[in-house]
Amino acid sequence: GENVEQHPSTLSVQEGDSAVIKCTYSDSASNYFPWYKQELGKRPQLIIDIRSNVGEKKDQRIAVTLNKTAKHFSLHITETQPEDSAVYFCAASKGGSYIPTFGRGTSLIVHP
Amino acid sequence: DTEVTQTPKHLVMGMTNKKSLKCEQHMGHRAMYWYKQKAKKPPELMFVYSYEKLSINESVPSRFSPECPNSSLLNLHLHALQPEDSALYLCASSQIAPGGGYGYTFGSGTRLTVV
Repeated sequence: GENVEQHPSTLSVQEGDSAVIKCTYSDSASNYFPWYKQELGKRPQLIIDIRSNVGEKKDQRIAVTLNKTAKHFSLHITETQPEDSAVYFCAASKGGSYIPTFGRGTSLIVHP
Repeated sequence: DTEVTQTPKHLVMGMTNKKSLKCEQHMGHRAMYWYKQKAKKPPELMFVYSYEKLSINESVPSRFSPECPNSSLLNLHLHALQPEDSALYLCASSQIAPGGGYGYTFGSGTRLTVV
């Protein structure tokens, strides 16, 4: 089955810095890669996703890049703000399946 | 309506109790899920319903019993739980397409404590 590795497990940055979270996946058939943000005590929320026919996608301060050859994808957050503090989960799923495999999560802490 | 609504938000139950968790969505999503989540861990899949039929049971103990009365509702019936079952229980829904690849909308969860 699919295996998704996520790094780092904890990331601490100063407000205004950039943050990068990286994930690798094992199944070359995976073609959909969502990212979820979960604030403390709240639900996971889909913040951005990318499909395998696209190399990069941006939405304001967040972006996701995908390297299919290397089987890794990354979340980039620019100009971080304290409200970006949360646990971020990457995930991967493949065509025909709508069940994602989640990474173990990254706890992002943005210091004011 | 773009939300998944879960009730109750908090539940404390004894090991001999029977209780039910409820989940509702009106987005027309034909896949609905139950996940269990421990603190700072990823959600763990428990059950999947697609087109109101149970399609995946991730070897969940029989003290958890899912039910999908219609395309908008999902229940999780709880009986004789153990303290280690204490967790956040999340309901989610998504579209279904042959090529896959749709994100989840999660409910806000039920924080369950078994005493």
